[in-house]
Amino acid sequence: GQQVMQIPQYQHVQEGEDFTTYCNSSTTLSNIQWYKQRPGGHPVFLIQLVKSGEVKKQKRLTFQFGEAKKNSSLHITATQTTDVGTYFCAGQRLKAAGNKLTFGGGTRVLVKP
Amino acid sequence: DTEVTQTPKHLVMGMTNKKSLKCEQHMGHRAMYWYKQKAKKPPELMFVYSYEKLSINESVPSRFSPECPNSSLLNLHLHALQPEDSALYLCASSLRRLAGHTGELFFGEGSRLTVL
Repeated sequence: GQQVMQIPQYQHVQEGEDFTTYCNSSTTLSNIQWYKQRPGGHPVFLIQLVKSGEVKKQKRLTFQFGEAKKNSSLHITATQTTDVGTYFCAGQRLKAAGNKLTFGGGTRVLVKP
Repeated sequence: DTEVTQTPKHLVMGMTNKKSLKCEQHMGHRAMYWYKQKAKKPPELMFVYSYEKLSINESVPSRFSPECPNSSLLNLHLHALQPEDSALYLCASSLRRLAGHTGELFFGEGSRLTVL
């Protein structure tokens, strides 16, 4: 079955620094979504990438979809304490039954002030 | 705040109890989902309803029984659960496209279930 892997599992970042989390799929994806879940909260949609090589920015967050549509990355610049949480990617496989999304294991981000 | 409302927020039940989790959305979404999330793990898909019909059952044990009475409501009936079923149960909805992408998932705040 489809597998979506994220690295790193944990990310300790000094406030003000940049970091990147990576998402890799074992199969070609039709699209990939990113979600953020604050501690004690629920996942909140951040973005969806559909096109090969697509890059989208949201303020300090930059999302990329690989040329082969099998990997994606999230880069955060000038990390703030509000960035604390777990970032999940979720991939949807081409012609997957029921358009099922498969979540990666998540990257848990801790920010040191 | 979320536009998907889940009740109850917390539930403690014994292994012989019967209880239900409820989910409601009024965004006109025609796909609704139940996910199970254990601590420090990603959400794990359980069921998908599309246009009020069950379209995906991820081999979930029969002690979990979903129901979609109408396009706005989704229930999860619980019976004879085990302690390992303790988790956060998340409901989500999305605009359903018959062909192509699912679109973003709108999650509720979840029902935290403890089975004693």
